[in-house]
Amino acid sequence: EDKVVQSPLSLVVHEGDTVTLNCSYEVTNFRSLLWYKQEKKAPTFLFMLTSSGIEKKSGRLSSILDKKELFSILNITATQTGDSAIYLCAVDLWGTSYDKVIFGPGTSLSVIP
Amino acid sequence: GAVVSQHPSRVICKSGTSVKIECRSLDFQATTMFWYRQFPKQSLMLMATSNEGSKATYEQGVEKDKFLINHASLTLSTLTVTSAHPEDSSFYICSARDFTNYNEQFFGPGTRLTVL
Repeated sequence: EDKVVQSPLSLVVHEGDTVTLNCSYEVTNFRSLLWYKQEKKAPTFLFMLTSSGIEKKSGRLSSILDKKELFSILNITATQTGDSAIYLCAVDLWGTSYDKVIFGPGTSLSVIP
Repeated sequence: GAVVSQHPSRVICKSGTSVKIECRSLDFQATTMFWYRQFPKQSLMLMATSNEGSKATYEQGVEKDKFLINHASLTLSTLTVTSAHPEDSSFYICSARDFTNYNEQFFGPGTRLTVL
């Protein structure tokens, strides 16, 4: 059975701290790994990773994928209160008979002033 | 990025009634759309994959007769919750895959369903 695991499930940090969120997966027909941020409504897209070892960056956020060890990390540096959200990792699967995206349980991040 | 809309954004209904939720891709054609359900403090659970012009593929444990999915055009998929019960109350989110944009999926804003 395909599965996506995230850790930690929740995290509380102070503003200015750096955090690392983890995502591991066991799936068949991997196509890409996705990171999303969810606040009050639907998730918003952060990164799509398809190749190992290539870091993607967007401001204070960065992410990298290791396809050999089947995991990814999402780093947030100099955290701000606006970073408080649930961070979802998802894996995009595409086989001959199916096409779907499955999500991990999410990491709830709280950044306190 | 591409835009996906959902309607309604919020619906309250009585137990036993049916509710239809629409998901539209506004500026791209989506041969594949996904329907998710999210309970409070939980992650998104994939309910089904909706393919234009064919039957939806349901995930294990999702009742296809209760959650009817129709993907009649390249820009519209609908989810009908039939004979809704209070335990169906949840946040329903759709997403649409844009094959012209690195196969990225774009999410609708979600529909909050409350069944009394």
